[in-house]
Amino acid sequence: TQLLEQSPQFLSIQEGENLTVYCNSSSVFSSLQWYRQEPGEGPVLLVTVVTGGEVKKLKRLTFQFGDARKDSSLHITAAQPGDTGLYLCVVSYNFNKFYFGSGTKLNVKP
Amino acid sequence: DAGVIQSPRHEVTEMGQEVTLRCKPISGHNSLFWYRQTMMRGLELLIYFNNNVPIDDSGMPEDRFSAKMPNASFSTLKIQPSEPRDSAVYFCASRRQSSNTEAFFGQGTRLTVV
Repeated sequence: TQLLEQSPQFLSIQEGENLTVYCNSSSVFSSLQWYRQEPGEGPVLLVTVVTGGEVKKLKRLTFQFGDARKDSSLHITAAQPGDTGLYLCVVSYNFNKFYFGSGTKLNVKP
Repeated sequence: DAGVIQSPRHEVTEMGQEVTLRCKPISGHNSLFWYRQTMMRGLELLIYFNNNVPIDDSGMPEDRFSAKMPNASFSTLKIQPSEPRDSAVYFCASRRQSSNTEAFFGQGTRLTVV
């Protein structure tokens, strides 16, 4: 059973462009996290959101948790080559078990 | 802080051989997770422990897979016998067992079964 759908699967853009990636599910979750994974490394946490409608900003990254707590988006402004990586959406029902989406593979070309 | 330490980083083995992957979680973290990552299936949770006790092993694919956590600072994931379809990157992660805390991942073990 696919709990999470992330879109797009792949994204290749030029440096300086803006982009948005999405994470969607039919289920309500207690929390949602975004991780970034670089080649040859493990995922690293970017942000955690728990409140419906919550918006968090991390420099050029803006994260939003949908009002119904079933979806989230990640917006990157003026993308840089250092943003290249696999962006993973992770949800939890009970703060113990975490489910990963399949990820969006982002490539930012200089 | 050394982070989550996994060994080996790379393992190449022949089909039918036993493979043991090792993980040292961050000191003070009482939850430990084993994940497998492939291109086809992404990151899959295999098993997780709270306070050294296995809580949910429903993600372990077959009886060929087993995991142990004999103490708070060490865990193993064993595959016996290994098969080519087990080839993947295996990640260990640890966190404090409370709501919304960050999971810290090791660098993974890239397993190739030929």
